[in-house]
Parts: sequence; structure tokens; C-alpha cells
Amino acid sequence: SQQGEEDPQALSIQEGENATMNCSYKTSINNLQWYRQNSGRGLVHLILIRSNEREKHSGRLRVTLDTSKKSSSLLITASRAADTASYFCATDATIYNQGGKLIFGQGTELSVKP
Amino acid sequence: NAGVTQTPKFRVLKTGQSMTLLCAQDMNHEYMYWYRQDPGMGLRLIHYSVGEGTTAKGEVPDGYNVSRLKKQNFLLGLESAAPSQTSVYFCASSYLDRVTDTQYFGPGTRLTVL
Repeated sequence: SQQGEEDPQALSIQEGENATMNCSYKTSINNLQWYRQNSGRGLVHLILIRSNEREKHSGRLRVTLDTSKKSSSLLITASRAADTASYFCATDATIYNQGGKLIFGQGTELSVKP
Repeated sequence: NAGVTQTPKFRVLKTGQSMTLLCAQDMNHEYMYWYRQDPGMGLRLIHYSVGEGTTAKGEVPDGYNVSRLKKQNFLLGLESAAPSQTSVYFCASSYLDRVTDTQYFGPGTRLTVL
């Protein structure tokens, strides 16, 4: 079963609005990452938050992490049509002995209408 | 830098045929991965490698084999293709660094097995 579960599965908003996506996971983690995938392309890394961090910013992106609830959220402020993509959370579960193995969620499909 | 490249981009096979997908990276990364992506399933790890000459099984290894003879290349083989292997295959690589753990993805190979 997937370690990360995103919510909602699909989100449609107007340009300029904020978009919030949530991710829940099951086991203890070293870090949590968010990736973006444009249609027909590979995934692109957006931001990484470590297990001892609670919030992180990168441009219009804001990520929060609540390890007590095993959940994370990705906020995209002032969305643009170019933000239309699928967004995946990925966790580096501590149950794995070797670093670098990520478990991906099923993704949130974001559509930003101009 | 070309980053992570994959060949071919598209392929159609008949059931029982074999093929090899090639992944190459020019970032001197130690870790390399093969994922498959199916609708509604997110990315699932097939096999991975933590260095030249090493490979390990991921979440869904059955029906696939891999080799890492050179540090920059990671090959994924299908010995006898089945319709269930119709998918989009992504290769990724990362540094030998548990702190960052960012993965860099190739553009994908779309495989159809008839």
C-alpha cells in the first residue's frame, strides 16, 4: 500500500486563488518531499522538509509538516495557469536501511483556469 | 548537462517479446531507480541501485530485471512482456546523501504491451 496519500485527488481553481493539497503518511520519516509532474513529463522536485522542521517556504510554495498527525500540506499562493500539473508527496521512510528510497503518493491533479 | 535521459520514449510490444529500457545520467549520482506509473497508482518502485554493480528489488520487481554495469547507466529489462506491464516507466537518480534525497527524473518511456 502507498505510504503517502494525497487529498484531494483533483482540485480546480481560478488563476490568482490559493491551492492547498494535503498528504498523509503511515510510518516515521526522515523527510518529506513534494514533486510536480506536468502532463506527459517526468517529476520535478519542488521542496523537501525534514522531520524536525514544521514549515518551509520556497517562492510561492509553503509546506507544513505535522509529524504527530503524520501529515503535510502544500500551499501554492496566487496560482497561475502554469501551475496546472499533478503534485506528489514522497516520503523517505525510516524503515528502509538504505537512503534515497522514496515512497510516492497517488498525487493531486491541480487545474488552474485562466 | 543532459540530466537523466531515457530511451526509447515510446514502444509497443507483443505479449512474450523482450526489450531493454536504457537510463543514463551525467550527474555522477550513486543511486538510480526505475519506477512505473499507472493511472491512480502513483509511482511504484521496481528496482533500484545504490552503486555500480549493485541492484535491489523495490515494491513491484516481478517480471523485470536490471543491471548497473556502469555508474551512469541503469538498464531495465522485460524478458517476456505481459499486458500488465503496459505503463509509463520513469528512471531517476540521486546523490549518495540521505540529507537531501532529491531525485532527478527522466522524461519517461511509454510502453504498450498488446
